[in-house]
Amino acid sequence: DTAVSQTPKYLVTQMGNDKSIKCEQNLGHDTMYWYKQDSKKFLKIMFSYNNKELIINETVPNRFSPKSPDKAHLNLHINSLELGDSAVYFCASSPPGTHMNTEAFFGQGTRLTVV
Amino acid sequence: GENVEQHPSTLSVQEGDSAVIKCTYSDSASNYFPWYKQELGKGPQLIIDIRSNVGEKKDQRIAVTLNKTAKHFSLHITETQPEDSAVYFCAASYPGWDEKLTFGTGTRLTIIP
Repeated sequence: DTAVSQTPKYLVTQMGNDKSIKCEQNLGHDTMYWYKQDSKKFLKIMFSYNNKELIINETVPNRFSPKSPDKAHLNLHINSLELGDSAVYFCASSPPGTHMNTEAFFGQGTRLTVV
Repeated sequence: GENVEQHPSTLSVQEGDSAVIKCTYSDSASNYFPWYKQELGKGPQLIIDIRSNVGEKKDQRIAVTLNKTAKHFSLHITETQPEDSAVYFCAASYPGWDEKLTFGTGTRLTIIP
């Protein structure tokens, strides 16, 4: 199936731990993103990468570190997890050309719960 | 930066009736306005989009209108069906090296059978 896939789907962890979320897209897109959706469903961009290069970093705490080993993968590593990090994290990708001025394809989301 | 406001936050309509969701944006440079539907436990999925050189676009029961002067755009769903129940997000983006989608706050649409 062609898609944006992220793992794990659910992640429950204790405060202070370090965790990673993986994302892969097989759509041939150049640009990938991480979005955070809070409990009120508000969707906010965290990072965008174009062909492995960081383009957008939306004042996200430096405990969050994205890594793009190649243009098909964008992983998110979070250090020293805090209660406020609990949210659903979405990976997305968009076709080459004009960055995000076109359709973005979202993964299924990773529900992170910090206890 | 861009700011997108969306109303209403919740909307209930009888099956078969129409639903309208409205958004306003702040940055006159924005030129792309997509609408996403998010079903429970899933990621947002594009349902329709419109660019600033067009005033209206229709796809079967879904239509979007754009008023560039007033900086607002709306989603219209006609003949609503139970499967239309979901959270809908509007978004806006402007061209540039740092293009990104700025989302509205979402509308939870419930279709009453």
